[in-house]
Amino acid sequence: DTAVSQTPKYLVTQMGNDKSIKCEQNLGHDTMYWYKQDSKKFLKIMFSYNNKELIINETVPNRFSPKSPDKAHLNLHINSLELGDSAVYFCASSQGQGANQPQHFGDGTRLSIL
Amino acid sequence: RKEVEQDPGPFNVPEGATVAFNCTYSNSASQSFFWYRQDCRKEPKLLMSVYSSGNEDGRFTAQLNRASQYISLLIRDSKLSDSATYLCVVNTPTGGSYIPTFGRGTSLIVHP
Repeated sequence: DTAVSQTPKYLVTQMGNDKSIKCEQNLGHDTMYWYKQDSKKFLKIMFSYNNKELIINETVPNRFSPKSPDKAHLNLHINSLELGDSAVYFCASSQGQGANQPQHFGDGTRLSIL
Repeated sequence: RKEVEQDPGPFNVPEGATVAFNCTYSNSASQSFFWYRQDCRKEPKLLMSVYSSGNEDGRFTAQLNRASQYISLLIRDSKLSDSATYLCVVNTPTGGSYIPTFGRGTSLIVHP
């Protein structure tokens, strides 16, 4: 009964490959997010979707393409992986996009590029 | 100037100590504020929201100072299990939604 679940937990792949990370939430939330946490532990928002619509896109290279088939799912596809993409990617969700809505995080996907 | 700034620490304190962290933000339009806790190799977890009048949850007290644009977290009677990184989050309005911006976190180590 995990609230926000991401798969896979670990992803090791070579430069130039294309990979996807999946995220699902069973909290009934309307808004979902993708974050990247780099080696210096800085957690930065990448995208946010509200009811399947993109509402935040924070200067992320267009090799990163989010897809939200329904409001409970937000997947992240990455093309032509680069060394600098190595990081932990966290999915999160919140009830609506109001100012006072805290976020619930998945346990992260650790992406390593060889 | 960074949008959300925190002293990275580490703050190294003995059990039972009181410790306080600050977090400053640059955008005066920011509307809501939170403290999260992140353990090593784990996801961030909500610790508490920060309300204008200040709020307390057990040993934890959060305060907001809008005039000086900072929030604070006070931990009383520190436990070994409080050792973690504490992240502040600031929600700022933009185009009808809110962008959450995380600080880099403050590391706390509580020792016996």
